[in-house]
Amino acid sequence: GIQVEQSPPDLILQEGANSTLRCNFSDSVNNLQWFHQNPWGQLINLFYIPSGTKQNGRLSATTVATERYSLLYISSSQTTDSGVYFCAVNFGNEKLTFGTGTRLTIIP
Amino acid sequence: GAGVSQSPSNKVTEKGKDVELRCDPISGHTALYWYRQSLGQGLEFLIYFQGNSAPDKSGLPSDRFSAERTGGSVSTLTIQRTQQEDSAVYLCASSLAAGTGGKQYFGPGTRLTVT
Repeated sequence: GIQVEQSPPDLILQEGANSTLRCNFSDSVNNLQWFHQNPWGQLINLFYIPSGTKQNGRLSATTVATERYSLLYISSSQTTDSGVYFCAVNFGNEKLTFGTGTRLTIIP
Repeated sequence: GAGVSQSPSNKVTEKGKDVELRCDPISGHTALYWYRQSLGQGLEFLIYFQGNSAPDKSGLPSDRFSAERTGGSVSTLTIQRTQQEDSAVYLCASSLAAGTGGKQYFGPGTRLTVT
């Protein structure tokens, strides 16, 4: 079946470090979104990125649709970056299929 | 501007009772989605509305689950005869739906606990 896999499942970093989160998907996608779920459970849309590269401050994302993966880069991490990061894809329809997430913990 | 809102934020109910969860999408968003987040299953799609019609109900786990949307705005998710496995956070999202896979904006969720 259609799968969205994220790695690593857990990541613990010191404040100021950089990180790369990966999302692999098993089929062609219409779209891909990255979300941050904060410790209060709110899902915040970070990037809408079916292909190419986008940057927003310390965060950037790259999707290579032909190779079926996306990467989320976080630079100079801060404690407020802690939470769970999800990628979610549309496989030819409106619903989002979510990955299993990467839990990021930033230590002061 | 206002984001997606959901009510109640928390709901505790006894097994066998019915519950209604409400979602107010962002004004002007024609597409509305319900998802569920539970420990064992992660984030999973339930139902999608375009206007008042639901072209995709494929994620509803059983016939105890139903949803409606009126006036192209507010949506209600109803769970009848709740079971303990229904305990989860129910999330609503909306989008402009300018084609397949519009950017989705999520509400804060309703945490449902069935005792």
